[in-house]
Amino acid sequence: KQEVTQIPAALSVPEGENLVLNCSFTDSAIYNLQWFRQDPGKGLTSLLLIQSSQREQTSGRLNASLDKSSGRSTLYIAASQPGDSATYLCAVISGGYQKVTFGIGTKLQVIP
Amino acid sequence: EAQVTQNPRYLITVTGKKLTVTCSQNMNHEYMSWYRQDPGLGLRQIYYSMNVEVTDKGDVPEGYKVSRKEKRNFPLILESPSPNQTSLYFCASSLVRGWVNEQFFGPGTRLTVL
Repeated sequence: KQEVTQIPAALSVPEGENLVLNCSFTDSAIYNLQWFRQDPGKGLTSLLLIQSSQREQTSGRLNASLDKSSGRSTLYIAASQPGDSATYLCAVISGGYQKVTFGIGTKLQVIP
Repeated sequence: EAQVTQNPRYLITVTGKKLTVTCSQNMNHEYMSWYRQDPGLGLRQIYYSMNVEVTDKGDVPEGYKVSRKEKRNFPLILESPSPNQTSLYFCASSLVRGWVNEQFFGPGTRLTVL
């Protein structure tokens, strides 16, 4: 059974800092991995999707990498801003394209 | 605007009173799924549907039913709700290209069962 772990559970950084969020998974036979952000009381917003054949994806200040063999993905946020404060979730698609497993998330606070 | 909608957004009910949470998407996606989100447990998949009349269980299907009679709609049915089904529920639809499943989420439904 696929298990997804996100470390750290919470992170507080001053504005402007670069930071890395981690996601690890136990079964490396994945089809794709997707990073989301969730604001309090809101739904999930898709940030980046990495296919199993890809090593990284970039969108603006965000860069996500994937190392299938070691079962890890990282989300790099450059020059953090207070508006980046949210919970970040990673989701892994495995066991067929329909099976989705989420991590519990990393709660990020960016202090002005 | 491309979106996934859920209704109601908030619901307080009592044990045993049947309820339905609706989910609709306007993106012509074939794949739809339901999740519940609980503190410390994250999002867990309840049911998913790969197409009309095709549904399957996720990780926590007990106490829930779904149907997929139309491509755009995927309602979640609680025949006899219990307090342990108090949770935040999300519907998602997916664009599936080959083996890639990219998900788009609705705004969530906060359910309280007394």
